[in-house]
Amino acid sequence: EAGVAQSPRYKIIEKRQSVAFWCNPISGHATLYWYQQILGQGPKLLIQFQNNGVVDDSQLPKDRFSAERLKGVDSTLKIQPAKLEDSAVYLCASSPLLGRKYFGPGTRLTVL
Amino acid sequence: GQQLNQSPQSMFIQEGEDVSMNCTSSSIFNTWLWYKQEPGEGPVLLIALYKAGELTSNGRLTAQFGITRKDSFLNISASIPSDVGIYFCAGGGGADGLTFGKGTHLIIQP
Repeated sequence: EAGVAQSPRYKIIEKRQSVAFWCNPISGHATLYWYQQILGQGPKLLIQFQNNGVVDDSQLPKDRFSAERLKGVDSTLKIQPAKLEDSAVYLCASSPLLGRKYFGPGTRLTVL
Repeated sequence: GQQLNQSPQSMFIQEGEDVSMNCTSSSIFNTWLWYKQEPGEGPVLLIALYKAGELTSNGRLTAQFGITRKDSFLNISASIPSDVGIYFCAGGGGADGLTFGKGTHLIIQP
């Protein structure tokens, strides 16, 4: 079974630039999550989708972060404009409804 | 928001030794999960606990859901080199929200 796919794996940008990350969940998984993991910390939930609807985006900095899951499959997370403190690993995870989460390998973002 | 205190922050042990780490919280959780994360990878679920007092094993790993629902521990017996990584606890409260601890770095000296 293919796992959660994420791209790119690494991204280096300058502050105030924009960046987008892509996630392809495990086939058939209804729920998709984006987490932010700052160095030395555990993952923090940014947004949770169920199919193509948002379930929880309470910790998403909406002034600069946006995410969408068109057609309830792939998802993109965008940061515009990026700040230094956005440097982190962005993890995508998917799960069947109320099932176990499977994490992707993450995208490591460095903002200079 | 909810916070988890995970300890120790790091452990340096000899191969073959047993390992113990724990998480505590001021809030009650309905589930406790333990994950392992290796460099360049996402966390992988090791053990899931769903009931207060539950004790569950997965090979050399054993985890318990505290009676008060505010704590959990993970034990690894007879550590081997491939156990190296960062171990995270995560508490679940609502429909699917998880709060993660800061992780325990496990380093094994041969």
